Amino acid sequence: GDSVTQMEGPVTLSEEAFLTINCTYTATGYPSLFWYVQYPGEGLQLLLKATKADDKGSNKGFEATYRKETTSFHLEKGSVQVSDSAVYFCALIGSQGNLIFGKGTKLSVKP
Amino acid sequence: GAVVSQHPSWVICKSGTSVKIECRSLDFQATTMFWYRQFPKQSLMLMATSNEGSKATYEQGVEKDKFLINHASLTLSTLTVTSAHPEDSSFYICSPLYTTQETQYFGPGTRLLVL
Repeated sequence: GDSVTQMEGPVTLSEEAFLTINCTYTATGYPSLFWYVQYPGEGLQLLLKATKADDKGSNKGFEATYRKETTSFHLEKGSVQVSDSAVYFCALIGSQGNLIFGKGTKLSVKP
Repeated sequence: GAVVSQHPSWVICKSGTSVKIECRSLDFQATTMFWYRQFPKQSLMLMATSNEGSKATYEQGVEKDKFLINHASLTLSTLTVTSAHPEDSSFYICSPLYTTQETQYFGPGTRLLVL
C-alpha cells in the first residue's frame, strides 16, 4: 500500500543554518503530497503542498518539490529560526481522502 | 486556518475504564471526520472515518466495538475507548475535513495513558 518514509530525528540546528528533511513515498499513481508542522501543544497545521510532479510548494521560507523520478518531496529552508522548532510530518493523500503520514521529524533550533 | 478543539488533552485512567474524547470544529461544519492515533516513534495511523449521521468505517485491525465513534453533528465528533487497556495508551488526534477547501484540519490531540 501507499506509504511515506521520512528521515528520523531529532534534528538539532543552530539559528540561520540550512535545513533539509528527507521524505520519500511509495504510491500508485501520483498523489498530492504535503508537509505538516506541529508546534508544541498545538494541532498539525498544513505547511505546504504540491499536487503534481515538478510542483514546488512553499510557505514561510520552506520549500519542497514534487520529484516523480525519485519519488521524493524533501523539505528545505535556507535559514532556520528558533521559532521553527517543531515536529514536521510528510504525508500523501490516500485513496479514501485520508492522509498517510511519515513518522515525523523533530526539529530543534538553538539560538 | 480553521480551529479544532479536542478535549481532554491528557487522560490517565485505570485499566478497564472507558474514556471519551471530544472533537469540535469551531468555525466550520465537517461532514467527514478522521480519527488517527500515534504510538511512540510511529506514524499517525488512521483508525476510522466517520460521516455525519452514518456509521464509522474502521481500518483493518481497529476494533469497532472498542473504539466507539459518534458523529452526531457537523461540529462534534466523539471517540470513546471502551474498557481501556495499557496497549491503548496512545496519542489520539481528530481531523475534520473542511470539504469546501478540500483541506483536513487537526485537533491538538489527546494523550491517553492507561495504567
